Amino acid sequence: AQSVTQLGSHVSVSEGALVLLRCNYSSSVPPYLFWYVQYPNQGLQLLLKYTSAATLVKGINGFEAEFKKSETSFHLTKPSAHMSDAAEYFCAVNGNEKLTFGTGTRLTIIP
Amino acid sequence: EAGVVQSPRYKIIEKKQPVAFWCNPISGHNTLYWYRQNLGQGPELLIRYENEEAVDDSQLPKDRFSAERLKGVDSTLKIQPAELGDSAVYLCASSLVSGGLQSGEQFFGPGTRLTVL
Repeated sequence: AQSVTQLGSHVSVSEGALVLLRCNYSSSVPPYLFWYVQYPNQGLQLLLKYTSAATLVKGINGFEAEFKKSETSFHLTKPSAHMSDAAEYFCAVNGNEKLTFGTGTRLTIIP
Repeated sequence: EAGVVQSPRYKIIEKKQPVAFWCNPISGHNTLYWYRQNLGQGPELLIRYENEEAVDDSQLPKDRFSAERLKGVDSTLKIQPAELGDSAVYLCASSLVSGGLQSGEQFFGPGTRLTVL
């Protein structure tokens, strides 16, 4: 069985500040990990994915995530937040042909 | 390229009424998923199709929910009768799976927001 835990259901950062959204996973098989973003009244859009290649994964919109097996983590970061980054972010793990999502983190950007 | 299309976008019904949602996946995608997303939660898989076959419906409440994917293209999810607790966003996603799912990206539609009164 696999699961993900997202620490912090709400995160607020100032425009231009570092964004850090936390995700820890549990998986009985080598995991494939994803970060999705969801804007209001829209579906989920893939930001980036880890599929056992490089541990530092770069995605769209300036986001990146680092896979750390020893910490079972896959935290999402962006050096400088923009107002357009305000959205809900979901971490997900894919194992045994099933995608399991975390409960999400709502990111608010303070002008 | 058109994305995943879902209709309707919003639906309001009274409890005990039936309701149906429609999804057209990205052309060529052989795998289709229906998810339910409750308020403040992540999506949860209801059913997964590979072509016409439902290969994982373990989370589908079969007493009131049904789904079909005729001809392996578009799909319909039905609830009959609807209950208050069914209020949620129902998301459809599709992917092209070949030789295994693990690294496959799922493309999501905008969802149908269901309100049961």
